[in-house]
Amino acid sequence: SQQGEEDPQALSIQEGENATMNCSYKTSINNLQWYRQNSGRGLVHLILIRSNEREKHSGRLRVTLDTSKKSSSLLITASRAADTASYFCATDPGGYNKLIFGAGTRLAVHP
Amino acid sequence: GAGVSQSPRYKVAKRGQDVALRCDPISGHVSLFWYQQALGQGPEFLTYFQNEAQLDKSGLPSDRFFAERPEGSVSTLKIQRTQQEDSAVYLCASSLRSWGELAGGTGELFFGEGSRLTVL
Repeated sequence: SQQGEEDPQALSIQEGENATMNCSYKTSINNLQWYRQNSGRGLVHLILIRSNEREKHSGRLRVTLDTSKKSSSLLITASRAADTASYFCATDPGGYNKLIFGAGTRLAVHP
Repeated sequence: GAGVSQSPRYKVAKRGQDVALRCDPISGHVSLFWYQQALGQGPEFLTYFQNEAQLDKSGLPSDRFFAERPEGSVSTLKIQRTQQEDSAVYLCASSLRSWGELAGGTGELFFGEGSRLTVL
């Protein structure tokens, strides 16, 4: 069974716009990670945020974590067509990288 | 190698056939994970190896699924008497740190591109 849900399931935007994806989860966590998956490819790690952190940045990515609401968000600023992919949040309850993934958000960025 | 390599990339099997899926992790990576990803879903944990030891196999869906990593490097996921519900992408991931060192969430997983299994 999967830990949580991403919202929205699908998102379609124009290049240059920002994309925001949300993730909710059910149990307490050690950390939460975001991964990207291009169609037919493996997952690529984007960013990890620990349970004692509230916000983290990496390039055009901004991740927030609200443990009281058991939710996280991923913001991609100034999106590009190359950002088109599925984005998954994954929780790590025990801190051992035994990840529990959500169902993902499919992002389409149109030129 | 430069990344996690999986083979075959695509496998079509008739129901009842046995299949074997191979994973070559990044050289020197201690931890190896197998995940199953159904169409349109996120990956689900199957099993974990630390070197040659299978420390967690709680995600294997049935006793038809078997995984091994005899020399602590290459791993094989075997599915016996395949069923249609086994159709999925099987992802392998590796990490430099051991399970104990991973405590605290210090390492990222490096995923292969997966083996897509279709059972007819």
